[in-house]
Amino acid sequence: GALVYQYPRRTICKSGTSMRMECQAVGFQATSVAWYRQSPQKTFELIALSTVNSAIKYEQNFTQEKFPISHPNLSFSSMTVLNAYLEDRGLYLCGAREGADTQYFGPGTRLLVL
Amino acid sequence: GEQVEQRPPHLSVREGDSAVITCTYTDPNSYYFFWYKQEPGASLQLLMKVFSSTEINEGQGFTVLLNKKDKRLSLNLTAAHPGDSAAYFCADTGGADRLTFGKGTQLIIQP
Repeated sequence: GALVYQYPRRTICKSGTSMRMECQAVGFQATSVAWYRQSPQKTFELIALSTVNSAIKYEQNFTQEKFPISHPNLSFSSMTVLNAYLEDRGLYLCGAREGADTQYFGPGTRLLVL
Repeated sequence: GEQVEQRPPHLSVREGDSAVITCTYTDPNSYYFFWYKQEPGASLQLLMKVFSSTEINEGQGFTVLLNKKDKRLSLNLTAAHPGDSAAYFCADTGGADRLTFGKGTQLIIQP
């Protein structure tokens, strides 16, 4: 079956530092990967959408300079939160899909910023 | 862009009663619709994926209704039990690779 793994599941970083999170698709080819953030008490916001052989598209309020994303192959993507501050805390979800099929979500990386 | 309105934001029902959560969407090209459940501290669990060609979908203990004319999607939990206490999110694809989520409904089942 199709599975999506995310690492780490939970992380704490000091304010002003950076942290990298990873997303691994197993059992299918992740032709597109979407990164979402759920801030405390809020819904899921799309950060960016990465499609193989296309430029990564960032949503308003999110930039490559702050959330650089790598999608080097059809099974892996990573995103870094640079210079993290309190407002960056939340649950970061990776959603991967093959073509027009269902988007499968990973368990998320929960980021705490001290 | 696509907008998804979800109501109510909070819902409390007694065990054994039914609970209804509703979403309205704006993109007439939306084709796939989703309901997710999020338990405290956990990620999203897909409850049901709905295609625009099917109006009524039944799962285990719940029914999803899609009204394309009104652009309305509802999740009807029948005979709620304590394990149903969670946050519920609707989402649609808006015709693209991204999902647009509703703001969520916090459902509490009272004994």
